[in-house]
Amino acid sequence: DTAVSQTPKYLVTQMGNDKSIKCEQNLGHDTMYWYKQDSKKFLKIMFSYNNKELIINETVPNRFSPKSPDKAHLNLHINSLELGDSAVYFCASSQFGGGDKETQYFGPGTRLLVL
Amino acid sequence: AQTVTQSQPEMSVQEAETVTLSCTYDTSESDYYLFWYKQPPSRQMILVIRQEAYKQQNATENRFSVNFQKAAKSFSLKISDSQLGDAAMYFCASKGGSEKLVFGKGTKLTVNP
Repeated sequence: DTAVSQTPKYLVTQMGNDKSIKCEQNLGHDTMYWYKQDSKKFLKIMFSYNNKELIINETVPNRFSPKSPDKAHLNLHINSLELGDSAVYFCASSQFGGGDKETQYFGPGTRLLVL
Repeated sequence: AQTVTQSQPEMSVQEAETVTLSCTYDTSESDYYLFWYKQPPSRQMILVIRQEAYKQQNATENRFSVNFQKAAKSFSLKISDSQLGDAAMYFCASKGGSEKLVFGKGTKLTVNP
């Protein structure tokens, strides 16, 4: 009964390839996020979707494209992978509306290694 | 823009002792939320404790408590009776209104037996 799940947990690929990471939440939340954690452990938001609508789009290369088929799923597709894309990518979810709902719950992370 | 600063890159504590991790933040929002997340070696991000800025009472969760000083924009985490399983990276985070969640750079906590 995992709350926020991501697949795959590990991804090793060559430069120039295209890859996708999938995220699903069963918490009934309406807002989902993608974060990137770099080698120095710094966590930074990339995207946020609320009810399938993009609401946060940080300065991220166009090679990164999020897709939300429904409010329980948020996928991240990365084109033409580069060495600098190597990181841990976290999905998270929350319920819009303030108070306790502002708490974000994180998935287990996907470690991406680009060779 | 929001900022979160954790001035202690690393801390260590003896098992069963108490340790305090520091965090300061800056936000222009009047309504905001503060969080401490724990990231053990498994890399899972786990919510430790949450504080709503409008609440004067400091949040507590079992052995974890915060010292929230709103005027000083300080939000420290106290871990009492430290256990080996508390060893992890601890991240302080702030979210104001409709703004994004912003993290500090983290503090690595080592628990010595």
